[in-house]
Amino acid sequence: DTGVSQDPRHKITKRGQNVTFRCDPISEHNRLYWYRQTLGQGPEFLTYFQNEAQLEKSRLLSDRFSAERPKGSFSTLEIQRTEQGDSAMYLCASSLRRDWTGELFFGEGSRLTVL
Amino acid sequence: DQQVKQNSPSLSVQEGRISILNCDYTNSMFDYFLWYKKYPAEGPTFLISISSIKDKNEDGRFTVFLNKSAKHLSLHIVPSQPGDSAVYFCAYTVNYGGSQGNLIFGKGTKLSVKP
Repeated sequence: DTGVSQDPRHKITKRGQNVTFRCDPISEHNRLYWYRQTLGQGPEFLTYFQNEAQLEKSRLLSDRFSAERPKGSFSTLEIQRTEQGDSAMYLCASSLRRDWTGELFFGEGSRLTVL
Repeated sequence: DQQVKQNSPSLSVQEGRISILNCDYTNSMFDYFLWYKKYPAEGPTFLISISSIKDKNEDGRFTVFLNKSAKHLSLHIVPSQPGDSAVYFCAYTVNYGGSQGNLIFGKGTKLSVKP
């Protein structure tokens, strides 16, 4: 399967701990996106990379959140000093399109539970 | 303030009949409206989109209608099949500020197609 891969699928942590999620996009896709989805809501945009450059960040991405895509391939999303409000599904998506049409390939997500 | 409203949290339809999912929006500054489908434990999957300059787009059993004067979008599925049972999200691409990654999603409508 050459779809978007996310790891881990589920993470349970205690408040105050740091967590890191990894995303492997579809191999030829140069654009990578992170979204967050909470219960009963649609996904919300967090940040976007083109190759290794982080081109856009949402105001939802507080100082405790950091995303990287060091070699333009996989990406990591780290949350420091987790809070219970961080509990959500973190979705990664990728795209090959040069123009922004909204068509994304999403992974299955990484579910974070902060106790 | 919700920019994209899906006022029906759920919809139940008989197999073979038409499913109509609706979406209302407030912001007129968009390039594309899209529909995504989501099965449990999977990420959203792109279904169909429509450009802001069109009022209809068709792809097999799926047709999306855009009424810009009413700020209303609808997705028609004909005929509905049990495999269409999923949560459907409408979303639009933000085009102000040069955004190239921000999709604004609604909260979703859960469609159940009964055999």
